[in-house]
Amino acid sequence: GQNIDQPTEMTATEGAIVQINCTYQTSGFNGLFWYQQHAGEAPTFLSYNVLDGLEEKGRFSSFLSRSKGYSYLLLKELQMKDSASYLCAVPPYNTDKLIFGTGTRLQVFP
Amino acid sequence: DAGVIQSPRHEVTEMGQEVTLRCKPISGHNSLFWYRQTMMRGLELLIYFNNNVPIDDSGMPEDRFSAKMPNASFSTLKIQPSEPRDSAVYFCASISSGTNSNYNEQFFGPGTRLTVL
Repeated sequence: GQNIDQPTEMTATEGAIVQINCTYQTSGFNGLFWYQQHAGEAPTFLSYNVLDGLEEKGRFSSFLSRSKGYSYLLLKELQMKDSASYLCAVPPYNTDKLIFGTGTRLQVFP
Repeated sequence: DAGVIQSPRHEVTEMGQEVTLRCKPISGHNSLFWYRQTMMRGLELLIYFNNNVPIDDSGMPEDRFSAKMPNASFSTLKIQPSEPRDSAVYFCASISSGTNSNYNEQFFGPGTRLTVL
């Protein structure tokens, strides 16, 4: 089965950098997703990693280490609008479904 | 494209009543997912369909829950009878499965916030 672990809450200051970690255990690996969810809204796709290393997309980057079962989402130059929950998700091997972590609620303060 | 459409957006009902949630996936998408989100349990997959066929319903909590997908553009999630513990936000998501892309990003609808009194 799948097991995904993320910190429940984090706080940071506008303009700073924050790293949100995710550890996972999965039978078979088929990539790892990060989603962003603002309060009262639907999750939206941020990134996908299937190979080890860092994927950069503007202010957001996502890192994966398959051997360690570990990923992180790096948010740079934080803005107030980045206050949201960040969900780590993995698909069980050879399926289209996603198993989500409970999410990390990030609060950005001025 | 209008994205994934869900209705109603909010539903308040009394315990014991039947509740029907509706979803229209993105046109051309062939897989549809129903999720439930609560503070305690996070985002949980209830059931998913591929080409209108239920593939995995292992997340459906109990017999009070049922889901159908009569055609490629419509799905329902029914709770009968509803209970207060069913109060949650229910999301529908869709993807275009089996494409040549390396990954299949799920597109979520706005959700239905259900309150059972």
